[in-house]
Amino acid sequence: AQTVTQSQPEMSVQEAETVTLSCTYDTSENNYYLFWYKQPPSRQMILVIRQEAYKQQNATENRFSVNFQKAAKSFSLKISDSQLGDTAMYFCAFRTSGSRLTFGEGTQLTVNP
Amino acid sequence: GAVVSQHPSWVICKSGTSVKIECRSLDFQATTMFWYRQFPKQSLMLMATSNEGSKATYEQGVEKDKFLINHASLTLSTLTVTSAHPEDSSFYICSGGLGQETQYFGPGTRLLVL
Repeated sequence: AQTVTQSQPEMSVQEAETVTLSCTYDTSENNYYLFWYKQPPSRQMILVIRQEAYKQQNATENRFSVNFQKAAKSFSLKISDSQLGDTAMYFCAFRTSGSRLTFGEGTQLTVNP
Repeated sequence: GAVVSQHPSWVICKSGTSVKIECRSLDFQATTMFWYRQFPKQSLMLMATSNEGSKATYEQGVEKDKFLINHASLTLSTLTVTSAHPEDSSFYICSGGLGQETQYFGPGTRLLVL
């Protein structure tokens, strides 16, 4: 069974600074997908970034980038130039093709002015 | 990205009544949708996989007779909480996706059972 672990229940960062959220996972599969979702106070789940395991290049989306280490089964999210609107719960998630999503427990990120 | 809607966004009902929640994929067809339940400050807990034209697949511990799922079309899945009780109060979220990879989530439904 796949598991996803987020070891940081809460984190905070000053506005305009950079923060990294950690995520590790466990799987015996070789082909899979990794995601970071953001859940702001509205509770709408928003896709932040995704990574295909077969791609060696780390995914980036504007201020968001990942550090994907397949051998170490690590998938961290880096947020650059943090903004107040980045305050949210962040969930790391794993999926093989056609299967269910497996979520981590989440990291509550607070961006302070 | 793809858009998923949910209705209603919140509902208050009396204990013993049934509540239906709709999940629609607005700009894509979804043969599979997922229903989650989330308690405050916790992760999403998968309740069931909704399959178009066939029976839903429930996770262990989820009562299929209490949480009825119907996926009658490629754009609509419904979750009915039957004979709701206060312990059913929660935040319910559905998701659907294009292809086999990314899932897009509805805005959620807050259910309060009095």
